[in-house]
Amino acid sequence: AQSVAQPEDQVNVAEGNPLTVKCTYSVSGNPYLFWYVQYPNRGLQFLLKYITGDNLVKGSYGFEAEFNKSQTSFHLKKPSALVSDSALYFCAANDYKLSFGAGTTVTVRA
Amino acid sequence: EPEVTQTPSHQVTQMGQEVILRCVPISNHLYFYWYRQILGQKVEFLVSFYNNEISEKSEIFDDQFSVERPDGSNFTLKIRSTKLEDSAMYFCASRWGHEQYFGPGTRLTVT
Repeated sequence: AQSVAQPEDQVNVAEGNPLTVKCTYSVSGNPYLFWYVQYPNRGLQFLLKYITGDNLVKGSYGFEAEFNKSQTSFHLKKPSALVSDSALYFCAANDYKLSFGAGTTVTVRA
Repeated sequence: EPEVTQTPSHQVTQMGQEVILRCVPISNHLYFYWYRQILGQKVEFLVSFYNNEISEKSEIFDDQFSVERPDGSNFTLKIRSTKLEDSAMYFCASRWGHEQYFGPGTRLTVT
């Protein structure tokens, strides 16, 4: 069985400050890991993925994520957050059948 | 850029009625999915579909649910007799390589 945990329900940061959204995973075999973002009344929008290769993955809108096998983590990061980054972020594992974390609401204040 | 589309965006139905949620996946994708998100809860896998048959389904996907690809473009989810607890946002997705592309969702409200 596989599972994904997002330990923080909410993350609040000031615009221009670094943003980190945490994710840990438990999967059998090689992990395929993803980050999605959901804006109000919208679908899930793909941000980035880790399949294999470099542990630091770069994605859309300036986001990146670091795969850490020893800590079974895949934290999402952005060096300088924007107000427009305020949304609901989901970490997910596997590709044939995504298992989602509970989601983290990010609020970036001006 | 091609995208997954879903209709309707919002469906209100009475308990016990049948509903069909429609999806048009991206045209050259071969794997299709339905997920649901009950308000305030995480997104849950319902079913995957490949080569005109179900490849995997969750325990949520009981006999009340069915999926179909009636033609070369549409992918439908049918709920035969809706229950109050079926109220949720239903997302369709199609997959290319390792990435799943999601539609905007259909909000189903069962009264």
